[in-house]
Amino acid sequence: EAGVAQSPRYKIIEKRQSVAFWCNPISGHATLYWYQQILGQGPKLLIQFQNNGVVDDSQLPKDRFSAERLKGVDSTLKIQPAKLEDSAVYLCASSLDGWDRRTYEQYFGPGTRLTVT
Amino acid sequence: RKEVEQDPGPFNVPEGATVAFNCTYSNSASQSFFWYRQDCRKEPKLLMSVYSSGNEDGRFTAQLNRASQYISLLIRDSKLSDSATYLCVVNEDNQGGKLIFGQGTELSVKP
Repeated sequence: EAGVAQSPRYKIIEKRQSVAFWCNPISGHATLYWYQQILGQGPKLLIQFQNNGVVDDSQLPKDRFSAERLKGVDSTLKIQPAKLEDSAVYLCASSLDGWDRRTYEQYFGPGTRLTVT
Repeated sequence: RKEVEQDPGPFNVPEGATVAFNCTYSNSASQSFFWYRQDCRKEPKLLMSVYSSGNEDGRFTAQLNRASQYISLLIRDSKLSDSATYLCVVNEDNQGGKLIFGQGTELSVKP
């Protein structure tokens, strides 16, 4: 079974530029998550989708970050404009159904390592 | 107080040693608990789920103390391949599948 796919794997941009990340979850997984992991810290949830609807975006800095999952499958996360403190690994994860305890397990993609200079 | 707090690392242990990691969580309503493993520059992967009073999987034992809001992970007979960062993770059921991660504890097993 194919895992969670993400691209690009690495990105270097200058502050104030824009960047977009793409995620393709495991086939059939209804719930998709975007996390930000800053060096030395655990992942922090940015946004959670259930199919194509947003379940939780309370920690998404909406002045500069946006995310969409238009057809309930692939998702994109955008940062515009980027700041130095956005340097981090952006992880996408998916789960079968986030509302069922038996299917809580989240599978993570390899992440996109963003460096903002 | 952090939502999920772990022992600061790193832990440097010799092969064959027993090592224990501790974790505390702040939300007493939390229901599900996990340990994830993250290798250097890799994504987190589920190591163990802890649903009741604890469970064991080979050399790994996870314990849960709800009264103290405390979770532990014990690794017996450490292997070089156990070197990684161990993330304590809590699911707050009232928020669906949202996972709260601790900052991680780095383990380095030396020959």
